[in-house]
Amino acid sequence: DARVTQTPRHKVTEMGQEVTMRCQPILGHNTVFWYRQTMMQGLELLAYFRNRAPLDDSGMPKDRFSAEMPDATLATLKIQPSEPRDSAVYFCASGWGHEAFFGQGTRLTVV
Amino acid sequence: SQQGEEDPQALSIQEGENATMNCSYKTSINNLQWYRQNSGRGLVHLILIRSNEREKHSGRLRVTLDTSKKSSSLLITASRAADTASYFCATDYVSNTGNQFYFGTGTSLTVIP
Repeated sequence: DARVTQTPRHKVTEMGQEVTMRCQPILGHNTVFWYRQTMMQGLELLAYFRNRAPLDDSGMPKDRFSAEMPDATLATLKIQPSEPRDSAVYFCASGWGHEAFFGQGTRLTVV
Repeated sequence: SQQGEEDPQALSIQEGENATMNCSYKTSINNLQWYRQNSGRGLVHLILIRSNEREKHSGRLRVTLDTSKKSSSLLITASRAADTASYFCATDYVSNTGNQFYFGTGTSLTVIP
C-alpha cells in the first residue's frame, strides 16, 4: 500500500534549535509539496518540487526555512533557527498530475 | 493569496441528513478537488471536478462547479457519524511553474449519531 511517509511524527524543540523534517514520497510521483497547517492560517503551501527541482517556494520564509530533495526518495524541510510561531503541523504530499497524496504530518512544537 | 474560502466554517447535523459545504476561489483553475481530513491525520482525496464539468458524483458525494461564480459545493447525502471530519476544497491553479494546489479554509463537519 503506497503512502507518503513523514518523520518524525512529533517534534518538540527549544527556540533557536534547528529542526529537520523528512518526507518519503510515493515511488513514481514527480511532484512533492510541503504545506503548513495552523488554526489561524489553515493550509499554506510552503514549497513545491517537480522532478526534484524546486519550482516555487514563495510561501516559505526564506531567512529560516529551506526545502530540498537530495534524491527522488527524500524531501527535507529545515527550519534554522526555529521560533515559537513555527509551531504547526507540517504536511508533505506527493502526486502525479492532479491529485495529491498526503503524509500524516509532523506536529512541531517550538517552546 | 490564492487560498479559497469555505463556508460554513462549522456544520453540525444529525445522522441521515444531508450536508452541504461551499467553496469559493479567486483565480482561473484547471480543476477543483475536495479532500477530507480526520482529526490528527493527513488529507485524503475525495473527488476531482474539471473546469469544464458542472457536476460530478461519487457514491454519496455530489460536487458542483460554477466557474462563472468561482464556486463549488460538496453535498454529502445520508450522512453517517464516520463522515465527521474537516473538508477542504483545493484549486489546481496553473502558474508558469506548473500545477499548484491551494486549499480553502475548511469546513468542520460533525455528524451526530
